[in-house]
Amino acid sequence: GAGVSQSPSNKVTEKGKDVELRCDPISGHTALYWYRQRLGQGLEFLIYFQGNSAPDKSGLPSDRFSAERTGESVSTLTIQRTQQEDSAVYLCASSSRLSNEKLFFGSGTQLSVL
Amino acid sequence: GDSVTQMEGPVTLSEEAFLTINCTYTATGYPSLFWYVQYPGEGLQLLLKATKADDKGSNKGFEATYRKETTSFHLEKGSVQVSDSAVYFCALYSGAGSYQLTFGKGTKLSVIP
Repeated sequence: GAGVSQSPSNKVTEKGKDVELRCDPISGHTALYWYRQRLGQGLEFLIYFQGNSAPDKSGLPSDRFSAERTGESVSTLTIQRTQQEDSAVYLCASSSRLSNEKLFFGSGTQLSVL
Repeated sequence: GDSVTQMEGPVTLSEEAFLTINCTYTATGYPSLFWYVQYPGEGLQLLLKATKADDKGSNKGFEATYRKETTSFHLEKGSVQVSDSAVYFCALYSGAGSYQLTFGKGTKLSVIP
């Protein structure tokens, strides 16, 4: 597609429920990143994919968080047993192999855990 | 570890005022430095970058100079417009062994007519 697409744009869930967030990167971009932005905070790195492998998962805050990617396409970030502190904007970005420091971001998913 | 510190917002300016948003960094080696901008309702997008000391990145009237001696990359614009209202993020990329950009907290700029 023309840009990075994320869905849903907003998600309200109850504490303890599982949620799935989806990211469609720019076609042909091999690298995909997930970041989290809590209110009033900077962007917090979660995980990086190169193709469908994840060489850097260091940012995942707990084992409730997991992510997968199908080839060089769609990625899904799953949060199990959501907690109120998981409320944040979840941002996805992709980059090409030739310019891996230039990230193209989606508009994010606003997650609210009640 | 790597870190980026940028000035707290929000910043409110009148149209045609001069803008400075301060950014300092801590990193190992020689990082590349970036400013990203997020307009209302849109995703972050790259505004400008500099890859080595004394380089000046520029775009859309914005400029930032990579100052190794002061570990800074301050964003400037001589005359802001209402359309510049956005959140601005300073970021660094350490390169080899690092797969991620490290971002500052963002500075919200509002320009009033």
